[in-house]
Amino acid sequence: NAGVTQTPKFRILKIGQSMTLQCTQDMNHNYMYWYRQDPGMGLKLIYYSVGAGITDKGEVPNGYNVSRSTTEDFPLRLELAAPSQTSVYFCASRGANYGYTFGSGTRLTVV
Amino acid sequence: DQQVKQNSPSLSVQEGRISILNCDYTNSMFDYFLWYKKYPAEGPTFLISISSIKDKNEDGRFTVFLNKSAKHLSLHIVPSQPGDSAVYFCAASPSNDYKLSFGAGTTVTVRA
Repeated sequence: NAGVTQTPKFRILKIGQSMTLQCTQDMNHNYMYWYRQDPGMGLKLIYYSVGAGITDKGEVPNGYNVSRSTTEDFPLRLELAAPSQTSVYFCASRGANYGYTFGSGTRLTVV
Repeated sequence: DQQVKQNSPSLSVQEGRISILNCDYTNSMFDYFLWYKKYPAEGPTFLISISSIKDKNEDGRFTVFLNKSAKHLSLHIVPSQPGDSAVYFCAASPSNDYKLSFGAGTTVTVRA
């Protein structure tokens, strides 16, 4: 059972470049989330989705976009990468209870 | 605005002794609380949870205590083992919400 799969694991971007962080889950969970973790900080919610076709902003959505065309996939798009977006990004999904299942993360560096 | 606070960034404990991790929250609407454990280069994994109708929940070596009046919860690990060395995140949510708020984490190091 794969759970939540994130790709890529590592990426270096130049300022102004764009990229998509991929996230897919095979647990048929309706709820999916994108968090970022900065050093010494907790996980900050970027965007979330309560089902296919429905997304909403979290605490720190600026500079990001998401889509949810299927239950399985929840990609995160960075349009114009900035050094402030250097972080570790985690995708998560949630089933009927409150426990989240997290992916292993994407470490992004913007130079 | 940090609604969930873990004021101790790190904790070092000897193997076999008790580890106590603390967490404070400010949002009185929170009524479901969770602890997650994270190893380097991995995503957080669920450890234990407690709802506001309880003041204690136990699962093996892990016990979570909730003091609603103080808006405080703690995680006890007894006895601590080397494999417990990790970052521990406290998280909370209102029951009518599906988003968790996370603390900054506490890095636990268990010394042999």
